[in-house]
Amino acid sequence: GAVVSQHPSRVICKSGTSVKIECRSLDFQATTMFWYRQFPKQSLMLMATSNEGSKATYEQGVEKDKFLINHASLTLSTLTVTSAHPEDSSFYICSARTTSSLSYEQYFGPGTRLTVT
Amino acid sequence: AQTVTQSQPEMSVQEAETVTLSCTYDTSESDYYLFWYKQPPSRQMILVIRQEAYKQQNATENRFSVNFQKAAKSFSLKISDSQLGDAAMYFCALTQGGSEKLVFGKGTKLTVNP
Repeated sequence: GAVVSQHPSRVICKSGTSVKIECRSLDFQATTMFWYRQFPKQSLMLMATSNEGSKATYEQGVEKDKFLINHASLTLSTLTVTSAHPEDSSFYICSARTTSSLSYEQYFGPGTRLTVT
Repeated sequence: AQTVTQSQPEMSVQEAETVTLSCTYDTSESDYYLFWYKQPPSRQMILVIRQEAYKQQNATENRFSVNFQKAAKSFSLKISDSQLGDAAMYFCALTQGGSEKLVFGKGTKLTVNP
């Protein structure tokens, strides 16, 4: 149980274009989903927290207009990188908390490697 | 503010031996949860073990156990009978009760030598 999927696993896009990454909880309902960014050999950096049906909460320093997050249902959140530039190239990971979780653990997707050329 | 510190960037262990990964944390809250996550080369984050701060008993999951020292704010992970598949980055993480955020340490890269 508690499986989270991400699509696509890898994406290459040209500078100036937008790319959407989907995060789905497959066998549970997720009240809250999280988006992280991970640079090589570094830890996870929280970008934003999204709750179903409400606006995402972004961490300090994360551009809201560049990283658009939508959490339209209890099983789907999307991250859209708008007007992508090479510096946006990174590994993006989503996670989700179950509605019934009492111990606050997060279940992670397999990640999406974004390369902007 | 919450902080998590992993002071060992890299560790190595011989197959079948035991290794302990260190983690210290700081929080002003009394209600919090601690986790160890594993990230193998596939980069899929996997929950290894969790500990509720209100529980005195150390959590155990098969070959994985923790030494939770609340007063010292220490939360180390012991891996017994190490296997080649245990090779990965290990991240210690903390969340406060009522908060939704996980705060991660910088990670420890574990190498298992055959």
